Amino acid sequence: AQSVTQLGSHVSVSEGALVLLRCNYSSSVPPYLFWYVQYPNQGLQLLLKYTTGATLVKGINGFEAEFKKSETSFHLTKPSAHMSDAAEYFCAVLPGGSYIPTFGRGTSLIVHP
Amino acid sequence: DAGVIQSPRHEVTEMGQEVTLRCKPISGHNSLFWYRQTMMRGLELLIYFNNNVPIDDSGMPEDRFSAKMPNASFSTLKIQPSEPRDSAVYFCASSATGDANTEAFFGQGTRLTVV
Repeated sequence: AQSVTQLGSHVSVSEGALVLLRCNYSSSVPPYLFWYVQYPNQGLQLLLKYTTGATLVKGINGFEAEFKKSETSFHLTKPSAHMSDAAEYFCAVLPGGSYIPTFGRGTSLIVHP
Repeated sequence: DAGVIQSPRHEVTEMGQEVTLRCKPISGHNSLFWYRQTMMRGLELLIYFNNNVPIDDSGMPEDRFSAKMPNASFSTLKIQPSEPRDSAVYFCASSATGDANTEAFFGQGTRLTVV
């Protein structure tokens, strides 16, 4: 069975600072990996995904994530936080051969002026 | 495409009443998911349909919950009778399985309040 662990239910940064949201997964087969963002009163929107190929994946709004198989991690980063980045972020794993993604508990990103 | 469409956006009902949530997936998608989101439990998968057939309903809380997908463009989630603990945001999501583009697309959600 697969699982996703997001370290820290809340992450607080200052505007302009580096954003780092952590995600570790367990999967018995090579997975697809996703980051979603949820703004207040909205559904989840895809930020970026890793399927195969290049392990550094770039997404929308300046976010990127790197798949590290040896560390079973898929951390999300952004060099400079913006106030509009304040939202809930979810990491998800879809093991190869499965159609049902497993989501982490989410990390709330708080951006201070 | 308009994306996944859910209705209603908000529903307030009294305990004991029947509630029906509706979902129109993205055209061409053959997988459909119903999720429930609460502060306490996060995002929980309730049921998964593939090609209109329920494949995994292990997340459905109890017999009060039922879901149907009569065709590829419509699904319902019904709660009868509703209870205050059912208050949550319910999301429908769809995806196109079988290729690398397997991300799930979510609707805006239905915020259910049972009083």
